[in-house]
Amino acid sequence: NAGVMQNPRHLVRRRGQEARLRCSPMKGHSHVYWYRQLPEEGLKFMVYLQKENIIDESGMPKERFSAEFPKEGPSILRIQQVVRGDSAAYFCASSSTVNTGELFFGEGSRLTVL
Amino acid sequence: SQQGEEDPQALSIQEGENATMNCSYKTSINNLQWYRQNSGRGLVHLILIRSNEREKHSGRLRVTLDTSKKSSSLLITASRAADTASYFCATDASIRDDKIIFGKGTRLHILP
Repeated sequence: NAGVMQNPRHLVRRRGQEARLRCSPMKGHSHVYWYRQLPEEGLKFMVYLQKENIIDESGMPKERFSAEFPKEGPSILRIQQVVRGDSAAYFCASSSTVNTGELFFGEGSRLTVL
Repeated sequence: SQQGEEDPQALSIQEGENATMNCSYKTSINNLQWYRQNSGRGLVHLILIRSNEREKHSGRLRVTLDTSKKSSSLLITASRAADTASYFCATDASIRDDKIIFGKGTRLHILP
């Protein structure tokens, strides 16, 4: 029974390129969260999605960032025209219920922008 | 924002001692959770306490919740070197479909 799978684990991009981070939630989970973490800091909420719906994207920068969770396939966090400040660890978590659910985390995707 | 704030930011104790971390939040919540993160890894859920509960135990962990003070504490008894990690509290507000927000964490270091 696989847990939350994130890939790639490490991604290097040059400024101006696009980064696509993928997250496959645990089987049976329909809620996905994306968080960003800088070294030695906490997790900053980015976006909360259910299948085919964005529930809350209040933590997403207004430009260059987008997220989706299609009916089939993984959730995708997309960062266009990356800048050095986008370098961080991006964590995905999934849960089976809302408001009462334990979050199950992936191991994160570490983005480095050169 | 109902973001939790952990206190202290960092804590170093001798192996075998008890470690206490605190979390404060701002708005009414459905429940409060504690998570652990080892360096470079994803977070692992430790314990969830609901807003109508005051105390909960799980092994060497004891969590308290005081909704009147909007605060929670995590106690780890008889600490071990393997407890060295960052610990985060997480809350979701008592409204429908609310997101789960994490605090900045307490970095716990257990000295041998």
